Amino acid sequence: DSGVTQTPKHLITATGQRVTLRCSPRSGDLSVYWYQQSLDQGLQFLIQYYNGEERAKGNILERFSAQQFPDLHSELNLSSLELGDSALYFCASSVAPGYTEAFFGQGTRLTVV
Amino acid sequence: AQSVTQLDSQVPVFEEAPVELRCNYSSSVSVYLFWYVQYPNQGLQLLLKYLSGSTLVKGINGFEAEFNKSQTSFHLRKPSVHISDTAEYFCAVSEPGGADGLTFGKGTHLIIQP
Repeated sequence: DSGVTQTPKHLITATGQRVTLRCSPRSGDLSVYWYQQSLDQGLQFLIQYYNGEERAKGNILERFSAQQFPDLHSELNLSSLELGDSALYFCASSVAPGYTEAFFGQGTRLTVV
Repeated sequence: AQSVTQLDSQVPVFEEAPVELRCNYSSSVSVYLFWYVQYPNQGLQLLLKYLSGSTLVKGINGFEAEFNKSQTSFHLRKPSVHISDTAEYFCAVSEPGGADGLTFGKGTHLIIQP
């Protein structure tokens, strides 16, 4: 158990809909990262938050957004969903940005039908 | 910008045989290097990491990796594999002090044959 909790584990939704994925980092970790894992793109970095502030953006679509709350949990919002958004979404946390190790949650498997 | 190349998408090997999973990276700055393992329907677990110092790094489950700066490689090795090592292995790189998270390779599926 990495200490990073992601909910829900599975999500099935229709095209055009909006969903919210939730992540609770390890106790004491201030930095949260979101990654998308798909068969064609592999593991891609989406966005990072540190202590409530956005710190870096990767290959995140404009239809996607995220935030980190004062209690340090983070949410990834995916809207106007398309079939191609079906993927495994991972959250990871670390003590600080650029820290030497990130701990990953079990992921949320999103299926868009 | 960094990139990671894992040269083999699949590596079949017999149980108790040695294995090497290859990883090459590209970066204009110094890097931290990682190997993660993903078992079926699981998240990613850190196997080992290279930050600085000794180029031979030992990790969990009997794995080790060697950092070779001149060849920009970080190959993962295990002298004797077990059926339970069947999994997807990812090499990753990050920039020390950088904020962009990890850049992952495409992964290598290690298949252990009895």
